[in-house]
Amino acid sequence: DAGVIQSPRHEVTEMGQEVTLRCKPISGHNSLFWYRQTMMRGLELLIYFNNNVPIDDSGMPEDRFSAKMPNASFSTLKIQPSEPRDSAVYFCASSLPVPGSNTFGSGTRLTVV
Amino acid sequence: AQSVTQLDSQVPVFEEAPVELRCNYSSSVSVYLFWYVQYPNQGLQLLLKYLSGSTLVKGINGFEAEFNKSQTSFHLRKPSVHISDTAEYFCAVTKNSGGSNYKLTFGKGTLLTVNP
Repeated sequence: DAGVIQSPRHEVTEMGQEVTLRCKPISGHNSLFWYRQTMMRGLELLIYFNNNVPIDDSGMPEDRFSAKMPNASFSTLKIQPSEPRDSAVYFCASSLPVPGSNTFGSGTRLTVV
Repeated sequence: AQSVTQLDSQVPVFEEAPVELRCNYSSSVSVYLFWYVQYPNQGLQLLLKYLSGSTLVKGINGFEAEFNKSQTSFHLRKPSVHISDTAEYFCAVTKNSGGSNYKLTFGKGTLLTVNP
């Protein structure tokens, strides 16, 4: 298995532009999580899906952030419009309904200038 | 809700010395506990987990951790570290709800730096 695949690995964009981050979970995993990692706040859970349905989006910082999971093999996290304070590493993780099965992607490093 | 406190943000240590990374958690319900490692520019990898049973759990790369319910702690230890252990280590918790998903709450991380 190729693991959780995120794209792009790096993204540099100008303030005000739309940014879309992509994630392909491990086949067969039924839960998908989006995290944001910054020096100041550490790892924050933004949103998670169970069987493609959003369960908890209380971690999404603002309405500028949105996430979708149209099918079991693909999810997107969109920021529109982007701001410099959105600069961070964004991780996607997927899991089975088994504790400790969470598998993380390599992350997308987003820089908003 | 659960929370995790990692008491040290940075731990410098010399090669072949022992190390302990401290983690305390707070929860009103029973929990599962985990340690993850993050090498530079990579995602998180599971080091070890406590689900039930023996309170001393062993993981990959010679690491082990001990669950102490009375002290609500789950400290990570290694008797002799290598340069290659330099990384950031995260303690995490999820509630033991028997549900269909296991949302992890992470600590802020501890940067372990092993010096020659």
